Amino acid sequence: SQTIHQWPATLVQPVGSPLSLECTVEGTSNPNLYWYRQAAGRGLQLLFYSVGIGQISSEVPQNLSASRPQDRQFILSSKKLLLSDSGFYLCASTWGSAEQYFGPGTRLTVT
Amino acid sequence: AQSVAQPEDQVNVAEGNPLTVKCTYSVSGNPYLFWYVQYPNRGLQFLLKYITGDNLVKGSYGFEAEFNKSQTSFHLKKPSALVSDSALYFCAVAGANNLFFGTGTRLTVIP
Repeated sequence: SQTIHQWPATLVQPVGSPLSLECTVEGTSNPNLYWYRQAAGRGLQLLFYSVGIGQISSEVPQNLSASRPQDRQFILSSKKLLLSDSGFYLCASTWGSAEQYFGPGTRLTVT
Repeated sequence: AQSVAQPEDQVNVAEGNPLTVKCTYSVSGNPYLFWYVQYPNRGLQFLLKYITGDNLVKGSYGFEAEFNKSQTSFHLKKPSALVSDSALYFCAVAGANNLFFGTGTRLTVIP
């Protein structure tokens, strides 16, 4: 079965600082990978998804970017954080079936 | 385009009573439908899915969901609610490369 790791678990960053969140997946190969943001404990906003190394699809134009340097590694980045980037960031993975499995999330607070 | 709707932001039920969390869907073709649960500050956990076959799907923690094609619904149910079932519940439908999530329903089970 898949295990999804995310770090850090929590992060407090000032406005204008850079960001790097990491997601790694164990127990599978060539998964589809996803980054979501959840604001105020409610709906999920899909940010990026990737079907393979170096293949990134962006769903929402913004100051975030994603990269997939290795098969089971997915990174979410920003050069300069905005207050509106605060939220709960979730990484998810699928392999061989339609359901997505989620990591534990990263709580980002931009101050 | 695929979408799901969760018409209730909040559902309250007494412990021991049956619970229902509603979801309706809109898809072109046959739907692949899912339910997830989220506890505070945690990632989403997969509960169950409907792909094809029996309209009553059984999942984790005693939950089940009934697929109703004529009403385009996929309501989540449990015969006897527990206080520990209090959480945020998401319905989702599969797209080509992704899941489309509803806005979530917060379930509170009152002791």
